[in-house]
Amino acid sequence: GAVVSQHPSWVICKSGTSVKIECRSLDFQATTMFWYRQFPKQSLMLMATSNEGSKATYEQGVEKDKFLINHASLTLSTLTVTSAHPEDSSFYICSANGLAVDYEQYFGPGTRLTVT
Amino acid sequence: AQTVTQSQPEMSVQEAETVTLSCTYDTSESDYYLFWYKQPPSRQMILVIRQEAYKQQNATENRFSVNFQKAAKSFSLKISDSQLGDAAMYFCAYSGDEKLTFGTGTRLTIIP
Repeated sequence: GAVVSQHPSWVICKSGTSVKIECRSLDFQATTMFWYRQFPKQSLMLMATSNEGSKATYEQGVEKDKFLINHASLTLSTLTVTSAHPEDSSFYICSANGLAVDYEQYFGPGTRLTVT
Repeated sequence: AQTVTQSQPEMSVQEAETVTLSCTYDTSESDYYLFWYKQPPSRQMILVIRQEAYKQQNATENRFSVNFQKAAKSFSLKISDSQLGDAAMYFCAYSGDEKLTFGTGTRLTIIP
C-alpha cells in the first residue's frame, strides 16, 4: 500500500513555456503533500508543503509565482513550473503523508524536467 | 532549525560484509522521528527503517538495524550481509513535525 505516482516521469520543454507535474496518492488519502527538488548528486530540498483546499506553504527562497502548487483533492497535487528557464532543469519529487502519526512520507518516482 | 549531518559522502563494502553509515542531527525537541531512506539509481526514495525518539529500543528491519543514541544525537545505520542490491544513496532524515529534513547522503558501493 501507500503508493504515490507522478506524471510525467520525464518532460522536455522550451524556455519560456510552462509545465505541469501531477502527484497522486493511489491507495490512500494524503492530508499533506510535499514537493522537493533534487540536483544531481545532491540531497532533496523541500520546496513547499501543500494541504488539500488551502494555499501551499513555500520554503524560504522558493519563488511561489514560478512554482505554482495546487492541492485540489486529498489524492492530487500539481506543481506548475511557469515560464521555465534552463536553470529550472532538475529532478522534482513529490511525497505524501497518510493519516499515520509517525510523519512517514511516501515518495513518488520523480519527474525529470529538462528546459531547452 | 534542525540539521542533519552525514559525514561520509561515500562508503564501500565487500559483498556479504557489514557496513555502518553515520548520521548526527541537531534538535531541541524531545519527541521526533528519524528515518533512513535509500535512493537507488532509479531515484525512487525507499524507506529503509524508522526510529521513534521516545523508544529506547533500536529499530531493526531484517538486515538493517540502527544504533540510536539520543543523548549524543546520533543515528547510525548498520547493514549486515551486504548485497549488490544495497548499492544506493542513503539519506538520513529527521522529522519533528510533518516536514522531513534530509542529510546530504552517503553513496554506498557494494564490491562483489
